[in-house]
Amino acid sequence: SQKIEQNSEALNIQEGKTATLTCNYTNYSPAYLQWYRQDPGRGPVFLLLIRENEKEKRKERLKVTFDTTLKQSLFHITASQPADSATYLCAPGGSYIPTFGRGTSLIVHP
Amino acid sequence: EADIYQTPRYLVIGTGKKITLECSQTMGHDKMYWYQQDPGMELHLIHYSYGVNSTEKGDLSSESTVSRIRTEHFPLTLESARPSHTSQYLCASSPGQVQETQYFGPGTRLLVL
Repeated sequence: SQKIEQNSEALNIQEGKTATLTCNYTNYSPAYLQWYRQDPGRGPVFLLLIRENEKEKRKERLKVTFDTTLKQSLFHITASQPADSATYLCAPGGSYIPTFGRGTSLIVHP
Repeated sequence: EADIYQTPRYLVIGTGKKITLECSQTMGHDKMYWYQQDPGMELHLIHYSYGVNSTEKGDLSSESTVSRIRTEHFPLTLESARPSHTSQYLCASSPGQVQETQYFGPGTRLLVL
């Protein structure tokens, strides 16, 4: 069955460091992969989409990579800030409705 | 900020009551979705719609029903609420293009006593 794996343990980092979150998927061949941010008690907010033929995508302090051979996407936040603290969800997609991972909680300490 | 609205934001209700959770979007999106999410857990798709008069059940079995009479409106109804229905319900919409970026509402937190 299709499966999305994101680190269930919270990632704690110091302000100013780079945060790296991992998304692994199995039994998928997604045409693209999306990353969302979710704050407690609120709906997810779309951040970035990367297509299968793209290796890397950037938006301001965010960078996403997509390795279809490894079936993995990495999500980086550079110069992290306490305001970046949230849960980050990955969502592989294609001709089907995107399915969301459980998310990884990021905590940025001042 | 996405133009998708959910009401009520919070609802506490007794077992056996009928409830309707409202979801509206002003973006003209064809596709709309309902998800259920417990704290710290993943989103589970319970219903979706590809347009007016189109509704489908999602991956997670749900006792709720939905309707799509107008493009902008996608209400979810529970005929008889039970404590097991206690959860957060999130509505989303997408433009219906191949790349399905979803825009989420703020959610309804439901507590059934």
